[in-house]
Amino acid sequence: AQTVTQSQPEMSVQEAETVTLSCTYDTSESDYYLFWYKQPPSRQMILVIRQEAYKQQNATENRFSVNFQKAAKSFSLKISDSQLGDAAMYFCASRPTFGNEKLTFGTGTRLTIIP
Amino acid sequence: SQTIHQWPATLVQPVGSPLSLECTVEGTSNPNLYWYRQAAGRGLQLLFYSVGIGQISSEVPQNLSASRPQDRQFILSSKKLLLSDSGFYLCAWSGLAYEQYFGPGTRLTVT
Repeated sequence: AQTVTQSQPEMSVQEAETVTLSCTYDTSESDYYLFWYKQPPSRQMILVIRQEAYKQQNATENRFSVNFQKAAKSFSLKISDSQLGDAAMYFCASRPTFGNEKLTFGTGTRLTIIP
Repeated sequence: SQTIHQWPATLVQPVGSPLSLECTVEGTSNPNLYWYRQAAGRGLQLLFYSVGIGQISSEVPQNLSASRPQDRQFILSSKKLLLSDSGFYLCAWSGLAYEQYFGPGTRLTVT
């Protein structure tokens, strides 16, 4: 079984600054994927970034990047140059590469952008 | 490109009434399909997933059921709604890649 923990219920950041959202996970699988999803006020879940566990290089998508520490089972999301449109709930999720395709989600972090 | 639709967007139903939520995917074949529920201020709970027509796996025993009558259609149903069924229902699909893509969701209020 997999578990995902997001220990920061709420975070805030000044516009144009950088913020890091934390996520830790636990799994017995050797191969798995990790994801960050964004849920804006519209409530539609939007994929932000994904990381394959077998890859050592951290994934990057424009202003979004991750710090993947496999041994520590940590998967944090860094948002650079924060914009007002980044305000949302952010969910960390994981799934095994093979077998059960179930995505396991964390409880989310609400990010507020301060103008 | 692939798109996923859900309807209705919002629904208010009395306790004991039936429910039917529909999800359709365009632009892909043989997707895996998922139904999630999100209670207010909480994370997502997987309810059902399907890897093909007529193939449904249930994650949480409850008064909800799911069906997949066509390759790209996924339906969430209930014969009698409970107050605890209120929430935000999200449909998602995944293909050859490992990420899931979500629809716009249905907000269900049971009164």
